[in-house]
Amino acid sequence: NAGVTQTPKFQVLKTGQSMTLQCAQDMNHEYMSWYRQDPGMGLRLIHYSVGAGITDQGEVPNGYNVSRSTTEDFPLRLLSAAPSQTSVYFCASQGPNQPQHFGDGTRLSIL
Amino acid sequence: AQSVTQLGSHVSVSEGALVLLRCNYSSSVPPYLFWYVQYPNQGLQLLLKYTSAATLVKGINGFEAEFKKSETSFHLTKPSAHMSDAAEYFCAVSDPNSGGSNYKLTFGKGTLLTVNP
Repeated sequence: NAGVTQTPKFQVLKTGQSMTLQCAQDMNHEYMSWYRQDPGMGLRLIHYSVGAGITDQGEVPNGYNVSRSTTEDFPLRLLSAAPSQTSVYFCASQGPNQPQHFGDGTRLSIL
Repeated sequence: AQSVTQLGSHVSVSEGALVLLRCNYSSSVPPYLFWYVQYPNQGLQLLLKYTSAATLVKGINGFEAEFKKSETSFHLTKPSAHMSDAAEYFCAVSDPNSGGSNYKLTFGKGTLLTVNP
């Protein structure tokens, strides 16, 4: 049972480039979310989804897009990367009345 | 709106000493409360959670936390620190009325625990 799998683990981008951070879970969880973690800021919610076809914005959604075409996958897209998006990104999934399960993170640097 | 305040961004203790990590929350409704631990270069792992049952909650690795409504606190304790407890700890709060599941978490900024030999 893999849990929550994030790819890639590391990525370096140039300003203006686009990329997609992948997140997949094999626990059939309805709820999935993306957070960014910055030093001294804790984790801040970017976007979340309560099921396939349903997404909503979190605390810091600007510059990021998401979609949820299947229960298993919840990719996060950066359309035009900016240095302010340098961060560690975590994906999480959750079943009803269960705690959130986190992936190991993607470390993203934007030059 | 909910918020979480973790007092002390860095706590240092000696091995064998009491660990006390402080968390205060603000919520308009009785919340669900969580403590997560993050080891270097890893994701977050759940230590324990409070969901309106017993106010003293026991978690993994010998940690426990007590929900005190009058103080709006949920402090994390461990009687005797081990070197392996060195990590960053996050307190989080959710609204149990959020869509029938406690999925929207608001995190504190974290407390880095250092354990000295």
